[in-house]
Parts: sequence; C-alpha cells; structure tokens
Amino acid sequence: QVQLVQSGAEVKKPGASVKVSCKASGYSFTGNYIHWVRQAPGQGLEWMGRINPNSGGTNYAQKFLGRVTLTRDTSISTAYMELSSLNSDDTAFYYCARGRSYDLSGGWGQGTLVTVSS
Amino acid sequence: DVVMTQSPLSLPVTLGQPASISCRSSQSLVYVDGNIYLDWFQQRPGQSPRRLIYKVSNRDSGVPDRFSGSGSGTDFTLKISRVEAEDVGVYYCMEGTNWPWTFGQGTRVEIK
Repeated sequence: QVQLVQSGAEVKKPGASVKVSCKASGYSFTGNYIHWVRQAPGQGLEWMGRINPNSGGTNYAQKFLGRVTLTRDTSISTAYMELSSLNSDDTAFYYCARGRSYDLSGGWGQGTLVTVSS
Repeated sequence: DVVMTQSPLSLPVTLGQPASISCRSSQSLVYVDGNIYLDWFQQRPGQSPRRLIYKVSNRDSGVPDRFSGSGSGTDFTLKISRVEAEDVGVYYCMEGTNWPWTFGQGTRVEIK
C-alpha cells in the first residue's frame, strides 16, 4: 500500500538548519508531487511548497523563499525538506504529503517534530 | 495570500446529531479552468490530516457518505449528517486555487 515514512524527531539550536526526509513506497515515486506542510504544536496547517520528483521542479510559498529547499533522490524514492536559519517559530511538525500539482490527494507522512531551542 | 476563515472554531455536538462547518475565502476560488479547488481535511487526535472532500463536493474514496461538502464562489460548508464518535477531531478547509495554498484556522469537533 502507499506509504510515506518520515525521518525522526530533531532538536536544533537557533540559526541551525534541519533536513527532513520522506521515503515513499507502494507507488511510482516520480508519478506524483510531494508537498510539505507544517503545523506548530496546537496550531493550524501551513503549506510550504512542493516538488515534482520527476523533473525536480519546485515551488515555494513566498514566506519560506530563501530558507527552504526541497530536493529528491529518485534512486531511493525519497524527498527531502531542508529549512535553514531556524528560530523558535519554526518549532513544528513537518509533514510530507503526496498529491498532484493541484491537490493533496494521496496521503500524508506521519510527521516529523522539529524543535528549535537554545 | 487568500485568507480562509472558518466558523465556528469549536463545535460540541451530540452523537447522532448533525454538524455544519463554514469556510469563507477572502477572494474567489474559481480557477481559470472553471474548477473550484476547495478541499476539506480531517485531523483526528494524534494523527496526520487526511482529505475528505475535494473540489467543494467530491468525497474521497472510503469517506463515509455522512460527510458532504457544498458551496460556491467564496462560501463553503462541510456537513456531517449524523456525528459519530470517530468524527472527533479538527477539520480544515484548504484552497488550492491561488498561490500559495492556504488553510482555514481549523474547527474542533467534540462530543457533548
């Protein structure tokens, strides 16, 4: 069955970077987009960006431009989200989600908690 | 960015009774292709979100038919015809018409 399995929780200091992975299985990795959505503890959802695993093409929400980088490794069906210059406001669960260019139709990963603390 | 405003933010419901959640967008969600990319997501406690409804009124596979979506333009509604215990959680609307996609604040559904 379709699965998106994310890497484990991270604790980072302010100013550092974090890289979260999302390993896909059960479908053709290059056939669907991978989107990234974050959720601060007890808060709502925020769409960050998407990557086309086939072409590597990316789109980012303006808010994250310059700080987030989405990449993929098709040989191991894995997508990555790297967020730099972390501050306490970046403490959140980060989710990957499968979809098309125009939707989040294909299921979500289990989420990765990133805690930013000095 | 388009602002999605949900109401109410908290919705206590008696088991077996209906529930309704409103979602309003700050601008039209009609895309150039004529579609309205307004989706509804459910997030049960401790779980990842899952999509229930896409393009206003289409139920995803496996979603019970007690869930229905409606609306047009800037005004949308998610209805649960008879709330069951497994429906407890937070519900979000999301617009995928404009860039970047944005979510509503979420509506917490709980059992009275």
